[in-house]
Amino acid sequence: GAVVSQHPSRVICKSGTSVKIECRSLDFQATTMFWYRQFPKQSLMLMATSNEGSKATYEQGVEKDKFLINHASLTLSTLTVTSAHPEDSSFYICSASLFAGQGKDYGYTFGSGTRLTVV
Amino acid sequence: AQTVTQSQPEMSVQEAETVTLSCTYDTSESNYYLFWYKQPPSRQMILVIRQEAYKQQNATENRFSVNFQKAAKSFSLKISDSQLGDTAMYFCALRGFGNEKLTFGTGTRLTIIP
Repeated sequence: GAVVSQHPSRVICKSGTSVKIECRSLDFQATTMFWYRQFPKQSLMLMATSNEGSKATYEQGVEKDKFLINHASLTLSTLTVTSAHPEDSSFYICSASLFAGQGKDYGYTFGSGTRLTVV
Repeated sequence: AQTVTQSQPEMSVQEAETVTLSCTYDTSESNYYLFWYKQPPSRQMILVIRQEAYKQQNATENRFSVNFQKAAKSFSLKISDSQLGDTAMYFCALRGFGNEKLTFGTGTRLTIIP
């Protein structure tokens, strides 16, 4: 249980175009979704936190207008890389928080990632 | 602010041997959660083990166990009887009790040698 399906797994786009990455929670409601970026052989860098029905919270240094996050429903969160450039090429991973609230177990489930290449 | 430090960028060990990955952290919270995640070549993040800071007993999951030293803010992972499938990047991560954000360490690349 608690699976997050992330699509596409790989995408190549031309510089200047936009790309949308989707993360769907298949068997649970994802109140909170996290979006990470990972460069080769490096750790995961948190880009933003999205909560269903509200605006995403971006980490310092992340361009809000370039990385648009939408969390319109409890089962779908999307990341759109707008006007992509080669430096946006990276591996993007979403992760859903499984539980919330004081005293409850805390866990996460991760999408399988999207490798974005901008040419 | 929370920080997680993994001081071993790379490690290798013979199959069937035991290996320990180090992790230290810093947090101002008195209660928190610690995790070890594995990222194999497929790049899918997989939870290896989790420890609640308020529990004194070290967590174990089959061949995986942790040595949690709260006072020293240390959280090492021991892999016993290592297998080829254990080859992966291992990330230590920390989460505060009232904050859902995970803070990751820089990772340790573990290679199991046949």
